[in-house]
Amino acid sequence: AQSVAQPEDQVNVAEGNPLTVKCTYSVSGNPYLFWYVQYPNRGLQFLLKYITGDNLVKGSYGFEAEFNKSQTSFHLKKPSALVSDSALYFCAVRDGSGGYNKLIFGAGTRLAVHP
Amino acid sequence: DTEVTQTPKHLVMGMTNKKSLKCEQHMGHRAMYWYKQKAKKPPELMFVYSYEKLSINESVPSRFSPECPNSSLLNLHLHALQPEDSALYLCASSQEGAGGNTIYFGEGSWLTVV
Repeated sequence: AQSVAQPEDQVNVAEGNPLTVKCTYSVSGNPYLFWYVQYPNRGLQFLLKYITGDNLVKGSYGFEAEFNKSQTSFHLKKPSALVSDSALYFCAVRDGSGGYNKLIFGAGTRLAVHP
Repeated sequence: DTEVTQTPKHLVMGMTNKKSLKCEQHMGHRAMYWYKQKAKKPPELMFVYSYEKLSINESVPSRFSPECPNSSLLNLHLHALQPEDSALYLCASSQEGAGGNTIYFGEGSWLTVV
């Protein structure tokens, strides 16, 4: 079965510092990996995805993620954090069994960026 | 900005009420989804519609009844809910087919069952 793990419940970063939110995956076959962000009392917003090709994926709001097949990881990164980046971040993997597009989410990581 | 629109944003209903959540998208997507999200938890898939046909029902209780009137609309009919059904209900859509099509979410409908 496809799954993702987010080992950190919360990540604390000072504004202006680089940030990393970790995600590891377990899949059979080629992984389709996604990152979403959820601001308080809002829906999920798509940030970026890895399907194939370049291991470094660039997304919205200056975020990027690095796909590492040997470490089965897909960590989300940003060179310089903003207070407005504070939110709940979800890593997800596509489960295409049965031919339907289905996302399996990690537990989520709360990012707190301090001024 | 999300192009998946959900109404109402907030709904309070009694356990004997019948209500509906509505969702609309105009991106030409042929797959639509309902997810349920409890506070501080990841979304959990409830239903998937593909080309207006119910494709996946994740063993959801029958007090939740989905409906897809056309390719742009998705409803979730609610009847005889329990307080534990209180949650954020997220609608989403994507292009159909194989591969890593992005699933786009709406802002959600906050449901409180009293």
